[in-house]
Amino acid sequence: NAGVMQNPRHLVRRRGQEARLRCSPMKGHSHVYWYRQLPEEGLKFMVYLQKENIIDESGMPKERFSAEFPKEGPSILRIQQVVRGDSAAYFCASSPNTGREQYFGPGTRLTVT
Amino acid sequence: GDSVTQMEGPVTLSEEAFLTINCTYTATGYPSLFWYVQYPGEGLQLLLKATKADDKGSNKGFEATYRKETTSFHLEKGSVQVSDSAVYFCALSSQGAQKLVFGQGTRLTINP
Repeated sequence: NAGVMQNPRHLVRRRGQEARLRCSPMKGHSHVYWYRQLPEEGLKFMVYLQKENIIDESGMPKERFSAEFPKEGPSILRIQQVVRGDSAAYFCASSPNTGREQYFGPGTRLTVT
Repeated sequence: GDSVTQMEGPVTLSEEAFLTINCTYTATGYPSLFWYVQYPGEGLQLLLKATKADDKGSNKGFEATYRKETTSFHLEKGSVQVSDSAVYFCALSSQGAQKLVFGQGTRLTINP
């Protein structure tokens, strides 16, 4: 059973470009979570999605960031007009149900130049 | 709001030493508590968990006990190995909430 998959693993963008990060949850998991890890810090929750629904986006910056989890295909975290402060590792996690432990992907390391 | 405070690192020990990484939390109700481990360049792996007071989570020689009276979930291992070198994160999930709240992480280095 494949684990949570994220791609790309590394992404370099210039300031002002768009970044698209993809997450494929584990088979049978319909809940997806995105977290951001700034250098030398812990992970901060960004958004929680179920298929076609955003359940909790309390950790998402109000501008430039959006997330989706369509009926078919991976979950996408989209960052428009990236700035240097967006440089971080972005981790996706999935779970089969609410209240269950989360399984993490390897992360996407975004560098904004 | 909910929060987790971990012992600051980095922590450096010799092989076979005893390990304790302190973790305390603030949360309403009865959260579930977790320890995750992150090896260099990788994502987080669940190390152990406890879902109610006085529960003890254990895995790979690591243990942590859910202490509600002291709001703590300290990680311990009796004899560490070089392969235990990693960053360790304490986290909680509050009742009715799905998100994990993480501590800042503790970098552990074990020297042979």
